[in-house]
Amino acid sequence: DAGVTQTPRHEVAEKGQTIILKCEPVSGHNDLFWYRQTKIQGLELLSYFRSKSLMEDGGAFKDRFKAEMLNSSFSTLKIQPTEPKDSAVYLCASSLGGNYAEQFFGPGTRLTVL
Amino acid sequence: QQKVQQSPESLSVPEGGMASLNCTSSDRNFQYFWWYRQHSGEGPKALMSIFSDGDKKEGRFTAHLNKASLHVSLHIRDSQPSDSALYFCAASERTQVVGQLTFGSGTRLQVYA
Repeated sequence: DAGVTQTPRHEVAEKGQTIILKCEPVSGHNDLFWYRQTKIQGLELLSYFRSKSLMEDGGAFKDRFKAEMLNSSFSTLKIQPTEPKDSAVYLCASSLGGNYAEQFFGPGTRLTVL
Repeated sequence: QQKVQQSPESLSVPEGGMASLNCTSSDRNFQYFWWYRQHSGEGPKALMSIFSDGDKKEGRFTAHLNKASLHVSLHIRDSQPSDSALYFCAASERTQVVGQLTFGSGTRLQVYA
């Protein structure tokens, strides 16, 4: 079975650029999550979709971060414009949904903003 | 204050030894708990879940939940070098959006030969 796929694995951007990260969830999963991981803040939820509907938009991340789920098998996370403090690993996860559901994570995209 | 707090921040145990990781919640709404493990360069992977008071054992891993004290622990017996990783405790609330998890800051485990 294919797991969660994320592309690219590494991204280097100049300050002010727009970058788009991509995620393909596990086939048949209803829930999709975007997280940001840093050593200081740990895992922070950016967005949460259930059956393609946005359930949680991550509050503090609203202004420059936008996640979309174009169809049940593809999601993007756009950061516009990028800032050096956005340097982090961005993780995508999917699950069948519900309180008991395991989240399956992709390998992540490491973003470096210069 | 983080709603899910983990201790210790890092832990070093000898191969074959026992590793004990702790997690405490400050929110009584948390009902469902998970342990995730993340090896370097990979995404986190679920180890086990625990939803009821008491112990749950899966192979070398045993989780313990005490809902009254909001304390969850993970014990790894016969630790192996491949267990060296970052371990996260995660919880979901009864009242929050279904399916959403709150993660602790992690415990870094190093198993040495």
